[in-house]
Amino acid sequence: AQSVTQLGSHVSVSEGALVLLRCNYSSSVPPYLFWYVQYPNQGLQLLLKYTSAATLVKGINGFEAEFKKSETSFHLTKPSAHMSDAAEYFCAVAGGTSYGKLTFGQGTILTVHP
Amino acid sequence: NAGVTQTPKFQVLKTGQSMTLQCAQDMNHNSMYWYRQDPGMGLRLIYYSASEGTTDKGEVPNGYNVSRLNKREFSLRLESAAPSQTSVYFCASSEARRVLSQETQYFGPGTRLLVL
Repeated sequence: AQSVTQLGSHVSVSEGALVLLRCNYSSSVPPYLFWYVQYPNQGLQLLLKYTSAATLVKGINGFEAEFKKSETSFHLTKPSAHMSDAAEYFCAVAGGTSYGKLTFGQGTILTVHP
Repeated sequence: NAGVTQTPKFQVLKTGQSMTLQCAQDMNHNSMYWYRQDPGMGLRLIYYSASEGTTDKGEVPNGYNVSRLNKREFSLRLESAAPSQTSVYFCASSEARRVLSQETQYFGPGTRLLVL
């Protein structure tokens, strides 16, 4: 079975500050990892995904994430937060016998203060 | 391209009523999914369909049925709604005929369901 833990259900940063959203996963097979973003009253949109090609993955809107197998982590970062980054972020894992069925973390709400 | 569309956007039901949530995609995708989203629990897979004519249970299928009407449409039915089914329901699709782990899933805007 696979699982995802997102540390911190709410993260608050100032505009221009570093954004760090934490994700740890559990998987018995090499995982595929995803970060999705959900803006208020909208569906989920893919930010980036790790498919074993490179450990540092760059996504849309200046976000990136690094796959660290030894730490079973896939944390999401952005050097400088913008007001428009305020949203809920979901980490998800797939792989092995789960095939393409995604297992999602509980989500982290990012608030950006002026 | 509208992507993934869902109807209705919002619905209120009384306990025991039935309803069908509709989902359609215009991306010629083979696989389609239904999720429910509850606060603090992320999204959980209800049912999925890897190709037209096939459906499989996900993590939380009890109380739901699905129909893959054709390649474009995948509906979710609540036969006898319960308050525990109050949630936001998302439909998603992905390209591959087989459900592949590295595939990106594309999500619709969601249906907010309140069961009284």
